[in-house]
Amino acid sequence: NAGVMQNPRHLVRRRGQEARLRCSPMKGHSHVYWYRQLPEEGLKFMVYLQKENIIDESGMPKERFSAEFPKEGPSILRIQQVVRGDSAAYFCASSLTGTDSPLHFGNGTRLTVT
Amino acid sequence: GIQVEQSPPDLILQEGANSTLRCNFSDSVNNLQWFHQNPWGQLINLFYIPSGTKQNGRLSATTVATERYSLLYISSSQTTDSGVYFCARGISGGSNYKLTFGKGTLLTVNP
Repeated sequence: NAGVMQNPRHLVRRRGQEARLRCSPMKGHSHVYWYRQLPEEGLKFMVYLQKENIIDESGMPKERFSAEFPKEGPSILRIQQVVRGDSAAYFCASSLTGTDSPLHFGNGTRLTVT
Repeated sequence: GIQVEQSPPDLILQEGANSTLRCNFSDSVNNLQWFHQNPWGQLINLFYIPSGTKQNGRLSATTVATERYSLLYISSSQTTDSGVYFCARGISGGSNYKLTFGKGTLLTVNP
């Protein structure tokens, strides 16, 4: 499968636990983005990464959220001490270049915090 | 702030009908994309179209950047076209990669 791969598809966490969401970009893509879709809201930009670099994290909450895209392996979005308000669909996307090519999304991870 | 307004918010069609979805944006754009989110939540890129016209099968899109709007045409609609259609634009300047999404058009195609 040459598309953007995200796992897990569904994730249930209790309040206070950690959530780790994984994303492998399309083959040949080195630009990775994370977006969040909350119920009744549109998709919101969270963070833009390239290999080993965070380019723009202006959409990330200041606390509890972090992202990385290591030299080897998938990009990881990490949410510490989850709260009910973190329940949402988290989408990863990748593109060939940063600004002038289409964005391709994975199937998303639906996080439910109980 | 950056505005992306889509219309109509909801649209119900009979199979076989044609439709036009509109996206207005408040500033100049050089990154404009259309997406389809199907009922299972998957987001599919339909077009990267900062200007001009593109066609892909029954779908086509036109962006008139100078007048700050983009149109998505769906011809001979099918039930599988149902879902939410999002328009998204990049922020002008150095953060063009950062897409701002409209609220979407919810399309329902009935058999």
